[in-house]
Amino acid sequence: QSVLTQPPSVSGAPGQRVTISCTGSSSNIGAGYDVHWYQQLPGTAPKLLIYGNSNRPSGVPDRFSGSKSGTSASLAITGLQAEDEADYYCQSYDSSLRKVFGGGTKLTVL
Amino acid sequence: QVQLQQWGAGLLKPSETLSLTCAVYGGSFSGYYWSWIRQPPGKGLEWIGEINHSGSTNYNPSLKSRVTISVDTSKNQFSLKLSSVTAADTAVYYCARGVITMVRGVILSSWFDPWGQGTLVTVSS
Repeated sequence: QSVLTQPPSVSGAPGQRVTISCTGSSSNIGAGYDVHWYQQLPGTAPKLLIYGNSNRPSGVPDRFSGSKSGTSASLAITGLQAEDEADYYCQSYDSSLRKVFGGGTKLTVL
Repeated sequence: QVQLQQWGAGLLKPSETLSLTCAVYGGSFSGYYWSWIRQPPGKGLEWIGEINHSGSTNYNPSLKSRVTISVDTSKNQFSLKLSSVTAADTAVYYCARGVITMVRGVILSSWFDPWGQGTLVTVSS
């Protein structure tokens, strides 16, 4: 059972907007620690997608955006494309368990 | 551009010790924490632990009793040892660079970028 809770799956048609939630607690996200997001394409290592709640590394399209409020965070993907089909993980810092991840969300592009 | 390349034994028997090494190319070794993260087949990610260039370590409490992470700064490498493995330790193991931001000595943020290619470690009798 993961410390951070994500929906197991989300789906959307090409061009649509989808969001993935990440819910934590007062010992991690709610304590003020930043949330980061990773994209894992099939058979590959995770890749940093969003860091510091809402910052995109160089090369990540602006279709990807992140936000945080209270004990939760969200990843939004607009203009959905077939190549966005992947697993997405949120990650934060927890005062007791150090670095923690969400269970992952599988995005299916219909 | 920083690249991480990892290697180690991929098949172990129960009770043996897992041993992996990760080499860092193309960037500074100091100023970061270097982590190991694993992913059981079909499951999510689990942080194992980290080390900095000075040898300071932090471990996941759930694995702490069996984990040792060490560093060789002369080679820009760090290593993972996990003792007494069982089938539950079967996973893809990743090394990753941990970027940490602090405010007045308190960790504010910590993320992983980049990651190694991953090594599948299977524990089976």
